[in-house]
Amino acid sequence: QVQLVESGGGLVKPGGSLRLSCAASGFTFSDYYMSWIRQAPGKGLEWVSYISSSGSTIYYADSVKGRFTISRDNAKNSLYLQMNSLRAEDTAVYYCARGRGYRNDYWGQGTLVTVSS
Amino acid sequence: QSALTQPASVSGSPGQSITFSCTGTSSDVGGYNYVSWYQQHPGKVPKLMIYEVSNRPSGVPDRFSGSKSGNTASLTISGLQAEDEADYYCSSYTSSSTLVFGGGTKLTVL
Repeated sequence: QVQLVESGGGLVKPGGSLRLSCAASGFTFSDYYMSWIRQAPGKGLEWVSYISSSGSTIYYADSVKGRFTISRDNAKNSLYLQMNSLRAEDTAVYYCARGRGYRNDYWGQGTLVTVSS
Repeated sequence: QSALTQPASVSGSPGQSITFSCTGTSSDVGGYNYVSWYQQHPGKVPKLMIYEVSNRPSGVPDRFSGSKSGNTASLTISGLQAEDEADYYCSSYTSSSTLVFGGGTKLTVL
């Protein structure tokens, strides 16, 4: 069965950096584009970024462009999100999700990122 | 990248039909048939309920249906059940090749 397991969240100070990982299993990872989607506490979903199956095509939300970098390692079945210059408003649960035809059909359990001094 | 517009809350009684709206622009909802709907119970992971406007993934009850007219997409739940109480989010592909979500609608089953 499809499994997505995020890791790397935690408490970081404003201006700091964090790298999130998502380990995928149960499907051919290299066949699918992947997304990061976040949800601030008590708030709605916000799409962050997606990367194509080969990694050649990447898009970001304006709110994170220039600060976040998405990447993948198909040999390791892993997705990453490098987050730099973190702000309080980046505090959220970050989900990785499998993409298919501009929908996200499987989601991980999420990892909490808290940006606070 | 403005969020799609959804009503904050809707409510209905068991057995009723209810419809959620999701309003965007011609650059997102109106321009593409890539509207998805997600259900999220409190403390749980979002679940895909509808994709490409009106398609249901396997395992989603046929009580859930989707449609679109112009810049507004809709999710209808017929035969409302207590377990349907959750937050519902729409999402659309955009002309910028990005994705955008709505603010979400909280469904209360009375």
